[in-house]
Amino acid sequence: DTAVSQTPKYLVTQMGNDKSIKCEQNLGHDTMYWYKQDSKKFLKIMFSYNNKELIINETVPNRFSPKSPDKAHLNLHINSLELGDSAVYFCASSTGLGTSKQYFGPGTRLTVT
Amino acid sequence: DQQVKQNSPSLSVQEGRISILNCDYTNSMFDYFLWYKKYPAEGPTFLISISSIKDKNEDGRFTVFLNKSAKHLSLHIVPSQPGDSAVYFCAASGIQGGSEKLVFGKGTKLTVNP
Repeated sequence: DTAVSQTPKYLVTQMGNDKSIKCEQNLGHDTMYWYKQDSKKFLKIMFSYNNKELIINETVPNRFSPKSPDKAHLNLHINSLELGDSAVYFCASSTGLGTSKQYFGPGTRLTVT
Repeated sequence: DQQVKQNSPSLSVQEGRISILNCDYTNSMFDYFLWYKKYPAEGPTFLISISSIKDKNEDGRFTVFLNKSAKHLSLHIVPSQPGDSAVYFCAASGIQGGSEKLVFGKGTKLTVNP
């Protein structure tokens, strides 16, 4: 029983394309996140949603748009993909912010060629 | 601007010995700290946390120490086991400018040799 799942696990695409990564959690959590781990291995928070509302929006190009159709899902849409978008993207969920431990998905490795 | 720093990219220890992973932070607004463990091709998993009102938290073989004056925390694993070999991320959270901030370090790769 996977707690936080992401699809796809691997995504290879060309520059300029638009792609989406899906995330679902079955833990009943109110808060979901998207992280980016780049080639330098930094794990940086991109967005956080609480009860379908955006609460954290770090400095991320507006080509990235999160969409939360319901509390259990937080999808990430990326338009006009660039080489620098190549990274591993992790989805996570928690009962709340900051002090709550987060449950991470397995990650989606995005490669832009 | 790295607000959370893990200055050792890697650490190698012998099975049964103590592993000490260090983390430094620069922003005084951080008041809660977490450690996550990550195996290859998997997402990070929560390990242990500590609030700034404490200086120590223990959970089995894992102990986190917090030195607020030095803005430093460390994770001790005793005794270390080969299955502990993973990348360990330190994370810090706090309220800044009315919004929650959560920052991760770059990670330290721990290798426990049998």
